[in-house]
Amino acid sequence: QVKLLQSGAALVKPGDSVKMSCKASGYTFTDYIIHWVKQSHGKSLEWIGYINPYSGGTNYNEKFKSKATLTVDKSSSTAYMEFSRLTSEDSAIYYCARVDYWGQGVMVTVSS
Amino acid sequence: DIQMTQSPSSMSASLGDRVTITCRASQDIGNYLSWFQQKPGKSPRRMIYGATNLAAGVPSRFSGSRSGSDYSLTISSLESEDMAIYYCLQSIQYPYTFGAGTKLELK
Repeated sequence: QVKLLQSGAALVKPGDSVKMSCKASGYTFTDYIIHWVKQSHGKSLEWIGYINPYSGGTNYNEKFKSKATLTVDKSSSTAYMEFSRLTSEDSAIYYCARVDYWGQGVMVTVSS
Repeated sequence: DIQMTQSPSSMSASLGDRVTITCRASQDIGNYLSWFQQKPGKSPRRMIYGATNLAAGVPSRFSGSRSGSDYSLTISSLESEDMAIYYCLQSIQYPYTFGAGTKLELK
């Protein structure tokens, strides 16, 4: 069955970066683009961007263009998102998704 | 960016009630509209795609419809397991955008 398994929660300091992973299984990794979505506490969902695992092509929400970097490792069927120059506004849960299937989310807490 | 205006923001209903949640798109999105259910501490689950198509494994009491730029999610007979927050998503244009959510509670 399709699964997207994300890395564990992260506690990071303001100004630092965090890199989270999303390991896909149960389907051909390069057949589906992977989206990343942010959910701040108690709030709605924001689309960050997507990466095409086949080509490596990306498309970012303008709001996150200077903040997020999406990459993939085809050999391990894993997608990555690096979030840089973190502030308290970046504390949230981050999901990877195929839209029809979602990872379990990564809680990122930015605190000194 | 396409704005998705979702209403109501919250509602309470009784078991067995018919419930309807609506999203209005600021531009034409055709049928590129999905509905998601999110329970506390869980990831969103896609319920409806293509505005009217039931996702695999979703109970038949859920349905989606479209009238012009208004999209609706209807639960024909509310069950206790349906208590959740529901979001719409437009996927015709990047950036994808979600509605603000509707919190469905038991009366």
